[in-house]
Amino acid sequence: QVQLQESGPGLVKPSQTLSLTCTVSGGSISNGRYSWSWIRQPAGGGLEWIGRLSTSGNTNYSPSLKSRVTISVDTSKNQFSLELTSVTAADTAVYYCAGRGGPFDYWGQGTLVTVSS
Amino acid sequence: SYELTQPPSVSVSPGQTARITCSGDALPKQYTYWYQQRSGQAPVMIIYKDTERPSRIPERFSGSNSGTTVTLTISGVQAEDEADYYCQSADSTGSYEVFGGGTKLTVL
Repeated sequence: QVQLQESGPGLVKPSQTLSLTCTVSGGSISNGRYSWSWIRQPAGGGLEWIGRLSTSGNTNYSPSLKSRVTISVDTSKNQFSLELTSVTAADTAVYYCAGRGGPFDYWGQGTLVTVSS
Repeated sequence: SYELTQPPSVSVSPGQTARITCSGDALPKQYTYWYQQRSGQAPVMIIYKDTERPSRIPERFSGSNSGTTVTLTISGVQAEDEADYYCQSADSTGSYEVFGGGTKLTVL
């Protein structure tokens, strides 16, 4: 059973960089069967797609965040990561990592990141 | 940028049929996925590729596609189906994905 776990600081100062890592267990991140995504959800709000690593290894980003986002992969550690630069209070949210392929989807439990000085 | 439109809320009585729509210009070209999110939990995919249902999802959940509108249908709604439902799809070129604004299903 594939499991995902987000990790990273829960508090980030305005203008700094938010960095999160998703560790995948129970399956290989590089088997080409799944796309791996970051999604966030502000308190009381809806889901917002941030970006993904496609099954072909390409990265795609939300147009509204593209200038500030980088998603990368470390196959040796079976992890993928999110970097979001120049954060503001509007970036405060629960951040989820997720994998999807065919009839299967896997989500981390989500991690709350608060942007505050 | 591309947007998907869902009704903010739908209410039904137990045993009735709930229908949640999702509209977007690129839906004829791109697959739609539906997610259920219960309060305080991570989302769960309940429909993939417009109409396919994972084996772990009850048969009362189904998806349909009619051009620029897709529909999630829940037949014989149960109290446990009360949740937020989100559609997800990609822009016309498949360059990025978006979620609809979400629909809160209330079981009366």
